[in-house]
Amino acid sequence: ETGVTQTPRHLVMGMTNKKSLKCEQHLGHNAMYWYKQSAKKPLELMFVYSLEERVENNSVPSRFSPECPNSSHLFLHLHTLQPEDSALYLCASSQDGGDNSPLHFGNGTRLTVT
Amino acid sequence: RKEVEQDPGPFNVPEGATVAFNCTYSNSASQSFFWYRQDCRKEPKLLMSVYSSGNEDGRFTAQLNRASQYISLLIRDSKLSDSATYLCVVNKNTGNQFYFGTGTSLTVIP
Repeated sequence: ETGVTQTPRHLVMGMTNKKSLKCEQHLGHNAMYWYKQSAKKPLELMFVYSLEERVENNSVPSRFSPECPNSSHLFLHLHTLQPEDSALYLCASSQDGGDNSPLHFGNGTRLTVT
Repeated sequence: RKEVEQDPGPFNVPEGATVAFNCTYSNSASQSFFWYRQDCRKEPKLLMSVYSSGNEDGRFTAQLNRASQYISLLIRDSKLSDSATYLCVVNKNTGNQFYFGTGTSLTVIP
Protein backbone atom coordinates (compact mmCIF):
# COMPACT_ATOMS: atom_id res chain seq x y z
CA GLU A 1 0.00 0.00 0.00
CA THR A 2 1.06 3.55 -0.53
CA GLY A 3 0.24 6.86 1.16
CA VAL A 4 -1.49 7.15 4.50
CA THR A 5 -3.99 4.53 5.60
CA GLN A 6 -6.40 4.77 8.49
CA THR A 7 -8.57 2.17 10.15
CA PRO A 8 -11.39 1.83 10.81
CA ARG A 9 -13.20 3.97 8.23
CA HIS A 10 -16.30 4.19 10.41
CA LEU A 11 -16.72 3.70 14.14
CA VAL A 12 -19.76 3.88 16.37
CA MET A 13 -19.08 3.70 20.08
CA GLY A 14 -20.89 4.27 23.33
CA MET A 15 -19.67 6.75 25.89
CA THR A 16 -18.29 4.01 28.12
CA ASN A 17 -16.40 2.17 25.39
CA LYS A 18 -12.66 2.15 24.73
CA LYS A 19 -11.47 2.06 21.15
CA SER A 20 -8.38 2.95 19.14
CA LEU A 21 -7.86 4.54 15.76
CA LYS A 22 -4.88 3.40 13.75
CA CYS A 23 -2.84 5.24 11.15
CA GLU A 24 0.06 4.01 9.04
CA GLN A 25 2.12 5.99 6.56
CA HIS A 26 4.19 4.49 3.77
CA LEU A 27 5.80 7.71 2.58
CA GLY A 28 8.96 7.68 4.69
CA HIS A 29 7.86 10.83 6.50
CA ASN A 30 9.10 11.75 9.97
CA ALA A 31 6.11 13.70 11.30
CA MET A 32 2.56 12.50 11.94
CA TYR A 33 -0.56 14.35 13.00
CA TRP A 34 -4.08 13.88 14.29
CA TYR A 35 -6.72 16.37 13.19
CA LYS A 36 -10.39 16.60 14.11
CA GLN A 37 -12.99 17.94 11.68
CA SER A 38 -16.49 18.55 12.96
CA ALA A 39 -19.41 19.35 10.68
CA LYS A 40 -19.07 22.75 9.02
CA LYS A 41 -15.95 23.59 11.04
CA PRO A 42 -12.32 23.91 10.00
CA LEU A 43 -9.73 21.30 10.78
CA GLU A 44 -8.53 21.36 14.38
CA LEU A 45 -5.02 20.15 15.11
CA MET A 46 -4.97 17.69 18.00
CA PHE A 47 -1.47 16.20 18.20
CA VAL A 48 1.81 16.34 16.31
CA TYR A 49 4.62 13.83 16.52
CA SER A 50 7.98 14.60 14.98
CA LEU A 51 10.68 11.96 15.03
CA GLU A 52 8.39 9.97 17.35
CA GLU A 53 8.28 12.70 19.98
CA ARG A 54 5.10 14.58 20.71
CA VAL A 55 5.77 18.18 19.82
CA GLU A 56 2.28 19.57 20.16
CA ASN A 57 -0.75 18.76 22.24
CA ASN A 58 -3.33 21.30 21.29
CA SER A 59 -5.34 21.46 24.54
CA VAL A 60 -7.02 18.17 23.81
CA PRO A 61 -9.06 16.50 26.59
CA SER A 62 -7.39 13.55 28.26
CA ARG A 63 -10.06 11.18 26.95
CA PHE A 64 -7.98 11.29 23.74
CA SER A 65 -4.59 9.65 24.13
CA PRO A 66 -2.12 9.44 21.24
CA GLU A 67 0.63 6.90 20.79
CA CYS A 68 3.44 6.90 18.24
CA PRO A 69 5.48 3.69 18.54
CA ASN A 70 7.58 4.49 15.44
CA SER A 71 7.70 6.98 12.61
CA SER A 72 5.30 4.98 10.46
CA HIS A 73 2.51 4.31 12.95
CA LEU A 74 0.22 6.52 14.97
CA PHE A 75 -2.66 5.60 17.23
CA LEU A 76 -5.41 7.56 18.91
CA HIS A 77 -6.84 5.81 21.95
CA LEU A 78 -10.36 6.83 22.88
CA HIS A 79 -12.16 6.36 26.17
CA THR A 80 -15.27 7.79 27.84
CA LEU A 81 -15.99 10.04 24.88
CA GLN A 82 -18.84 12.50 24.69
CA PRO A 83 -21.41 12.88 21.88
CA GLU A 84 -19.75 16.17 20.86
CA ASP A 85 -16.63 14.17 20.02
CA SER A 86 -18.46 12.77 17.00
CA ALA A 87 -16.45 13.98 14.00
CA LEU A 88 -14.11 12.99 11.20
CA TYR A 89 -10.67 12.16 12.61
CA LEU A 90 -7.88 12.61 10.10
CA CYS A 91 -4.34 11.36 10.30
CA ALA A 92 -1.66 13.07 8.23
CA SER A 93 2.07 12.86 7.69
CA SER A 94 4.76 15.17 6.37
CA GLN A 95 8.51 15.44 6.10
CA ASP A 96 9.46 17.75 8.96
CA GLY A 97 12.31 19.97 7.79
CA GLY A 98 11.57 19.21 4.16
CA ASP A 99 11.38 22.27 1.97
CA ASN A 100 7.80 22.97 0.96
CA SER A 101 6.70 19.55 2.17
CA PRO A 102 2.89 19.33 2.29
CA LEU A 103 0.64 17.26 4.53
CA HIS A 104 -0.63 13.96 3.21
CA PHE A 105 -3.93 12.84 4.73
CA GLY A 106 -5.40 9.45 5.33
CA ASN A 107 -9.02 8.87 4.35
CA GLY A 108 -10.21 9.47 7.90
CA THR A 109 -12.26 7.70 10.53
CA ARG A 110 -15.83 8.89 10.85
CA LEU A 111 -16.61 8.54 14.54
CA THR A 112 -20.08 8.59 16.06
CA VAL A 113 -20.43 8.60 19.83
CA THR A 114 -23.83 7.49 21.07
CA ARG B 1 -6.51 37.54 14.40
CA LYS B 2 -6.70 34.16 12.69
CA GLU B 3 -3.53 32.75 11.17
CA VAL B 4 -5.26 32.10 7.86
CA GLU B 5 -8.47 33.67 6.58
CA GLN B 6 -10.60 32.69 3.61
CA ASP B 7 -13.93 33.80 2.28
CA PRO B 8 -16.16 30.77 2.99
CA GLY B 9 -18.38 31.51 0.00
CA PRO B 10 -20.34 29.73 -1.29
CA PHE B 11 -19.31 30.43 -4.84
CA ASN B 12 -21.84 29.18 -7.38
CA VAL B 13 -20.56 29.50 -10.93
CA PRO B 14 -21.67 28.15 -14.32
CA GLU B 15 -19.65 25.57 -16.19
CA GLY B 16 -16.86 27.18 -18.16
CA ALA B 17 -16.55 30.18 -15.86
CA THR B 18 -13.35 31.44 -14.31
CA VAL B 19 -13.33 31.73 -10.55
CA ALA B 20 -10.73 33.04 -8.12
CA PHE B 21 -10.24 32.49 -4.42
CA ASN B 22 -8.05 34.53 -2.12
CA CYS B 23 -6.57 33.69 1.22
CA THR B 24 -4.68 35.96 3.62
CA TYR B 25 -2.20 34.92 6.28
CA SER B 26 -1.09 36.86 9.30
CA ASN B 27 2.47 35.68 9.93
CA SER B 28 5.07 37.18 7.63
CA ALA B 29 7.48 34.38 8.61
CA SER B 30 5.30 31.83 6.83
CA GLN B 31 7.37 29.72 4.49
CA SER B 32 5.25 27.29 2.51
CA PHE B 33 1.81 27.60 1.00
CA PHE B 34 -0.64 25.09 -0.38
CA TRP B 35 -4.12 24.70 -1.77
CA TYR B 36 -6.05 21.57 -0.86
CA ARG B 37 -9.34 20.31 -2.20
CA GLN B 38 -11.84 18.55 0.04
CA ASP B 39 -14.90 16.75 -1.28
CA CYS B 40 -17.92 16.22 0.95
CA ARG B 41 -17.17 13.71 3.75
CA LYS B 42 -13.72 12.96 2.36
CA GLU B 43 -10.20 13.84 3.40
CA PRO B 44 -8.40 16.96 2.07
CA LYS B 45 -6.19 16.25 -0.93
CA LEU B 46 -3.28 18.36 -2.07
CA LEU B 47 -4.24 20.35 -5.14
CA MET B 48 -1.03 22.30 -5.57
CA SER B 49 1.80 23.95 -3.73
CA VAL B 50 2.19 27.69 -4.21
CA TYR B 51 5.58 28.98 -5.24
CA SER B 52 6.92 32.51 -4.99
CA SER B 53 6.97 33.00 -8.73
CA GLY B 54 3.46 31.63 -9.15
CA ASN B 55 2.70 28.30 -10.75
CA GLU B 56 0.19 26.70 -13.04
CA ASP B 57 -1.17 23.18 -13.34
CA GLY B 58 -3.55 22.82 -16.21
CA ARG B 59 -6.62 24.95 -15.52
CA PHE B 60 -5.35 25.92 -12.07
CA THR B 61 -3.05 28.85 -11.32
CA ALA B 62 -1.72 29.70 -7.88
CA GLN B 63 -0.03 32.93 -6.91
CA LEU B 64 1.70 34.25 -3.83
CA ASN B 65 1.99 37.88 -2.82
CA ARG B 66 4.37 38.07 0.14
CA ALA B 67 4.17 41.84 0.46
CA SER B 68 0.40 41.74 0.96
CA GLN B 69 0.46 38.31 2.60
CA TYR B 70 -2.07 36.58 0.44
CA ILE B 71 -2.27 33.65 -1.88
CA SER B 72 -4.76 33.07 -4.65
CA LEU B 73 -6.15 30.21 -6.69
CA LEU B 74 -7.59 30.75 -10.15
CA ILE B 75 -9.66 28.06 -11.83
CA ARG B 76 -10.32 28.50 -15.54
CA ASP B 77 -12.98 26.73 -17.60
CA SER B 78 -14.72 25.35 -14.50
CA LYS B 79 -15.96 21.76 -14.66
CA LEU B 80 -18.77 20.17 -12.67
CA SER B 81 -16.11 17.99 -11.04
CA ASP B 82 -14.42 21.09 -9.59
CA SER B 83 -17.27 21.41 -7.08
CA ALA B 84 -15.64 21.02 -3.67
CA THR B 85 -14.28 22.98 -0.74
CA TYR B 86 -10.88 24.58 -1.33
CA LEU B 87 -8.61 24.93 1.68
CA CYS B 88 -5.76 27.37 1.97
CA VAL B 89 -2.88 26.02 4.08
CA VAL B 90 0.16 27.88 5.35
CA ASN B 91 3.25 26.35 6.91
CA LYS B 92 5.01 28.61 9.34
CA ASN B 93 8.56 27.35 9.58
CA THR B 94 9.15 24.60 7.02
CA GLY B 95 8.35 22.27 9.86
CA ASN B 96 5.25 20.85 11.35
CA GLN B 97 3.21 24.01 11.97
CA PHE B 98 0.42 24.00 9.40
CA TYR B 99 -2.45 26.45 9.57
CA PHE B 100 -5.71 25.88 7.73
CA GLY B 101 -8.27 28.31 6.46
CA THR B 102 -11.94 27.51 6.96
CA GLY B 103 -12.27 26.63 3.29
CA THR B 104 -14.13 28.14 0.35
CA SER B 105 -17.08 26.23 -1.03
CA LEU B 106 -17.39 26.05 -4.82
CA THR B 107 -20.35 24.67 -6.74
CA VAL B 108 -20.15 24.54 -10.52
CA ILE B 109 -23.61 24.58 -12.05
CA PRO B 110 -24.51 22.94 -15.38
